[in-house]
Amino acid sequence: GAGVSQTPSNKVTEKGKYVELRCDPISGHTALYWYRQSLGQGPEFLIYFQGTGAADDSGLPNDRFFAVRPEGSVSTLKIQRTERGDSAMYLCASSPLGGTYNEQFFGPGTRLTVL
Amino acid sequence: KNQVEQSPQSLIILEGKNCTLQCNYTVSPFSNLRWYKQDTGRGPVSLTIMTFSENTKSNGRYTATLDADTKQSSLHITASQLSDSASYICVVSPLISNFGNEKLTFGTGTRLTIIP
Repeated sequence: GAGVSQTPSNKVTEKGKYVELRCDPISGHTALYWYRQSLGQGPEFLIYFQGTGAADDSGLPNDRFFAVRPEGSVSTLKIQRTERGDSAMYLCASSPLGGTYNEQFFGPGTRLTVL
Repeated sequence: KNQVEQSPQSLIILEGKNCTLQCNYTVSPFSNLRWYKQDTGRGPVSLTIMTFSENTKSNGRYTATLDADTKQSSLHITASQLSDSASYICVVSPLISNFGNEKLTFGTGTRLTIIP
């Protein structure tokens, strides 16, 4: 596709449920990032993939959060036993290797609401 | 702790007017600084990217300036349009390597509203 896509665009779930958020990066981009953005705040880093491996997962808030990228393209962010505090916009970004800037291209985000 | 602070927090201006948004950062070492535009409910879209050696960069009606000595940047918008209403986020990258996690540091943004 032309850009990064994320599905679903909106997800409403109940406290304690399990959710999966999907990210389709720009074709050929090897780097993939997940961010979480609360209302009125800038995005906060969650996890970074270089290819299939999670090169840096230091931003994941706790062990309820997990992300995979099994074939080095599509990534899934998984949240177990959701809590109301998990409600936020979840953004995915991808970046090509090389270049001066390593510019990150963001998807439209998934708005997660935990009731 | 690396920080990026933006001002003002929000701004309302009349269509056609100019405005300037400010960004101060403490990120060090510093690789590049970016300005993103984020429409409500959407992902950020890059406007400009500047390395520490660049002082200014333009993208249409958007002009960003950078003073790496004082660690300040500004985004100037000329002849504002209704479609400029959005949040503008200043983002600083501390990492130069092409293969590592950039660990971008995001500001909280300036909410700009253009009124007719």
